[in-house]
Amino acid sequence: EVVMTQSPATLSVSPGERATLSCRASQSVSYNLAWYQQKPGQAPRLLIYAASTRATGIPARFSGSGSGTEFTLTISSLQSEDFAVYSCQQYTNWPPVMYTFGQGTKLEIK
Amino acid sequence: QVQLQESGPGLVRPSQTLSLTCTVSGGSIGSGGYYWSWIRQPAGKGLEWIGRIYTRGSTKYNPSLQSRVTISLDTSKNQFSLNLTSVTAADTAVYYCAREEAAAYGEGFDYWGQGTLVAVSS
Repeated sequence: EVVMTQSPATLSVSPGERATLSCRASQSVSYNLAWYQQKPGQAPRLLIYAASTRATGIPARFSGSGSGTEFTLTISSLQSEDFAVYSCQQYTNWPPVMYTFGQGTKLEIK
Repeated sequence: QVQLQESGPGLVRPSQTLSLTCTVSGGSIGSGGYYWSWIRQPAGKGLEWIGRIYTRGSTKYNPSLQSRVTISLDTSKNQFSLNLTSVTAADTAVYYCAREEAAAYGEGFDYWGQGTLVAVSS
């Protein structure tokens, strides 16, 4: 099973500043990596898929990069509504088909 | 606009079977092109994929849960369902249903239900 490790566990950033979140896979997942935003009591919201493609309706301040085992989510200028938990998720389609999520990074207001 | 809604008991006794249904609106589950998944999240923890079903009925399950999980499809009701047998307290979680575009590479889960809390307790 591919294990996804996110760092840091908590990130404190001021509004208007840049936030950089990391996700590492225990083995290569190519570009099969997605990022989600989750607020308390809500379902996750898809931000990025295929490592760097923004999902429909996602603002341009969200960007994803990386491939293989190292991935990054960057939020260029934090807005108040961006403070949430962010999770990465990989997909493998060789047997067995499997999706695994990271434990999440909590982005909090500094 | 596609919407997903989970339904089912909020409390299940240990060793019993957890059964949930996801009703899809705003699109036909039988039209093809999408995987329909169940995902869960214990309180304060990360997300865990349980399994998925495709329109034709083919299924894939998380190997760690495979012996206890069945996902089925009812295209006439535009629903898909989860059965998880022999539950324990470790199965207590918020359960989500979600949609992913069927492709060779992961497209991400673009629509989710609001989630339903299922507690396993006597």
